[in-house]
Amino acid sequence: KAGVTQTPRYLIKTRGQQVTLSCSPISGHRSVSWYQQTPGQGLQFLFEYFSETQRNKGNFPGRFSGRQFSNSRSEMNVSTLELGDSALYLCASSLSGSFSYNEQFFGPGTRLTVL
Amino acid sequence: DQQVKQNSPSLSVQEGRISILNCDYTNSMFDYFLWYKKYPAEGPTFLISISSIKDKNEDGRFTVFLNKSAKHLSLHIVPSQPGDSAVYFCAASVTQGAQKLVFGQGTRLTINP
Repeated sequence: KAGVTQTPRYLIKTRGQQVTLSCSPISGHRSVSWYQQTPGQGLQFLFEYFSETQRNKGNFPGRFSGRQFSNSRSEMNVSTLELGDSALYLCASSLSGSFSYNEQFFGPGTRLTVL
Repeated sequence: DQQVKQNSPSLSVQEGRISILNCDYTNSMFDYFLWYKKYPAEGPTFLISISSIKDKNEDGRFTVFLNKSAKHLSLHIVPSQPGDSAVYFCAASVTQGAQKLVFGQGTRLTINP
């Protein structure tokens, strides 16, 4: 079974631009979560999508948004990029589970550098 | 507000010995805990988990202990092997609701031959 894939793996942007990252979950997984990893803040939860609906959201500004398609693939968008948005963005998928916890499987991440 | 804390940024252990990684949490609503291992340029890989109804869970060389009264969990690796060298993250979640993990800052484990 193929794992979680993320594209692109590396991205360089300049301040003020916007960026879209893509995540394809493991086949059959319906939940996709996004995390930001920085040296100072560690791994922080951005948001989670399930059945094309945002089910939970972390404490990030509105410049960070996402969506999920009917095939469970997900994209996240960051508008008006700031230097502090430079980070590794990780996507994780799991089966589902409103009332139980399912193990999350992570992709390799997209390394975003903002100049 | 760091709800999950790993106070040791790094740990160095001799090959064959026991590695003990620690994690503390503050939110009493957490009832499911996980450990992930991360190599450079890769996403975290799930290692082992424990529900709050248990105080110990074992999987091969890996054992996780949970002390709810102290809000503390630990990961024991025995015997430690060179391939265990990686960054280890502790994570916590509330079972009911969305799949949101709260991570600690990570501990870099180095196994010395």
